[in-house]
Amino acid sequence: DAGVIQSPRHEVTEMGQEVTLRCKPISGHDYLFWYRQTMMRGLELLIYFNNNVPIDDSGMPEDRFSAKMPNASFSTLKIQPSEPRDSAVYFCASSPGLARWGYYEQYFGPGTRLTVT
Amino acid sequence: TQLLEQSPQFLSIQEGENLTVYCNSSSVFSSLQWYRQEPGEGPVLLVTVVTGGEVKKLKRLTFQFGDARKDSSLHITAAQPGDTGLYLCAGARAGGTSYGKLTFGQGTILTVHP
Repeated sequence: DAGVIQSPRHEVTEMGQEVTLRCKPISGHDYLFWYRQTMMRGLELLIYFNNNVPIDDSGMPEDRFSAKMPNASFSTLKIQPSEPRDSAVYFCASSPGLARWGYYEQYFGPGTRLTVT
Repeated sequence: TQLLEQSPQFLSIQEGENLTVYCNSSSVFSSLQWYRQEPGEGPVLLVTVVTGGEVKKLKRLTFQFGDARKDSSLHITAAQPGDTGLYLCAGARAGGTSYGKLTFGQGTILTVHP
């Protein structure tokens, strides 16, 4: 079975440009998570969806960031306009749901390495 | 804000040595997970511990959840070069809104030399 698919794997863009990152979760998983990883801040949750509906977007750094999930098999994270401090690896993860003991078994994609110059 | 502190941040050892990585917080978690991440890849879930005092073993890896569900440890026996990677702990929020939401520690970079 295919795991979580992310595209592109690498993105280099200039400051001020719009960037769109894409994610295809594992089929049948109802939850989708977007994370950002940097050396300074580690792995941070940006936003997560349940059945295509955003549940918690408190981690989205500012209005320049937006995420959508138009259907169960596709999500996007958009940054407009991009800034050098947005440079990071962005991960998408999916989960079948909240387990009985109150945790998500998350499956991560390979990530998109974003560099904003 | 729930914070998880991992220690040490870096660990460089020889093949065959034992090691322990710690994950500590002042907050209570409903469960705690350990992930391993290799360069250029996403984190991969190793284990989830859910009960205070719980111990789980995965071959040479032993995971323990603290009695108060605020801390955890990962012990590796006879480390091998294949154990090299970034180890991350992540705690699931115990209650309130966004129940189950994960907070990650900063990670421990382990290098095992042949």
